[in-house]
Amino acid sequence: SAVISQKPSRDICQRGTSLTIQCQVDSQVTMMFWYRQQPGQSLTLIATANQGSEATYESGFVIDKFPISRPNLTFSTLTVSNMSPEDSSIYLCSARPGGGTGELFFGEGSRLTVL
Amino acid sequence: QQQVKQSPQSLIVQKGGISIINCAYENTAFDYFPWYQQFPGKGPALLIAIRPDVSEKKEGRFTISFNKSAKQFSLHIMDSQPGDSATYFCAASIQGAQKLVFGQGTRLTINP
Repeated sequence: SAVISQKPSRDICQRGTSLTIQCQVDSQVTMMFWYRQQPGQSLTLIATANQGSEATYESGFVIDKFPISRPNLTFSTLTVSNMSPEDSSIYLCSARPGGGTGELFFGEGSRLTVL
Repeated sequence: QQQVKQSPQSLIVQKGGISIINCAYENTAFDYFPWYQQFPGKGPALLIAIRPDVSEKKEGRFTISFNKSAKQFSLHIMDSQPGDSATYFCAASIQGAQKLVFGQGTRLTINP
């Protein structure tokens, strides 16, 4: 199993600013994933955070808007840059400690509101 | 091809009843099908998962039924309880690809 901690749990931000979300896993994992969940909606994968290499972004998400860091096997950050109200969402960090197609664990999410 | 379609969007069931949520997919390369449960303010948590080499998997009150030819799978919650009230997501992935594609979610309410 894995315990995934995210900070902040929620924040209210002003348009045009940037916010960095931190994700800490209690065990070493090869891949970490960042998802976005808009209110009442499903989960959409933003990117896969690879340790030691550039993150892999899904269609519709770009590095300039969502830069990701992965300095080691237990930690990652996601920055939401130049925020607009459309970025108001829950951002979820996840990891798969067992590798392969084992269970995917999620943090509790970071709820961002952009005014 | 990468979509997973889930229905219904919301479901109300009486306590003790059977809750059934359905999902359909197009990509025949999908080979791992989990169901996640999410309570308000929490991240999703794995409930039960199945691979296409079996047609059914049961864990306690939760059962996944899988129909490979129809490219459909469903979650059955037997003896539904108020504590089961949550949002449920089906998902699918391709072995080795590691990333999950999620359905749209079903908000389940169990009335006491």
